[in-house]
Amino acid sequence: GAVVSQHPSWVICKSGTSVKIECRSLDFQATTMFWYRQFPKQSLMLMATSNEGSKATYEQGVEKDKFLINHASLTLSTLTVTSAHPEDSSFYICSARGSGRTFSLYGYTFGSGTRLTVV
Amino acid sequence: ELKVEQNPLFLSMQEGKNYTIYCNYSTTSDRLYWYRQDPGKSLESLFVLLSNGAVKQEGRLMASLDTKARLSTLHITAAVHDLSATYFCAVVSDGQNFVFGPGTRLSVLP
Repeated sequence: GAVVSQHPSWVICKSGTSVKIECRSLDFQATTMFWYRQFPKQSLMLMATSNEGSKATYEQGVEKDKFLINHASLTLSTLTVTSAHPEDSSFYICSARGSGRTFSLYGYTFGSGTRLTVV
Repeated sequence: ELKVEQNPLFLSMQEGKNYTIYCNYSTTSDRLYWYRQDPGKSLESLFVLLSNGAVKQEGRLMASLDTKARLSTLHITAAVHDLSATYFCAVVSDGQNFVFGPGTRLSVLP
């Protein structure tokens, strides 16, 4: 139980284009989803928190116009990196939190991550 | 602001040896997680510690939590090469956000 699917696993795109990353909770309803980025040999940095049907809350220093987050349903959140540049190249990981018994049993569940390379 | 520290940050040890990784955090929290990350992969959940004195064991790994000392330990017994990975502790802040420690990169040598 509490499986999170993240797609794509890796993507290479040209500078200036936009990339969308999907995060789906497969067998539970995710009341809250989190997006992280991770640079090589560093820890995870929280970018934003999104609740279904609400605007995402961004961490300080994260450009909301550049990293568009949509959490339109209880099972899907998307992160769109707009006008990507090489410095946006990173490993992006989503996490989902269920409620009630799901949360008690499984806590926070992480997707498999997306490696973004902007060339 | 909740801060999470881990010690050591890098650890190289021989197979068969024991060692402990420490995770300290700065403010009250009652939920602590341990994760493993292999290179190029996402996080694998190892333990969820929910109360003071909680101890959980899985194979060669054992985690404990002391909420009064704001300290969690991850003890490795008779290390094997397959345990080589980066280990993160994470503490819940403000009811829902995770704050991750910097990670401990473990290398187990034959």
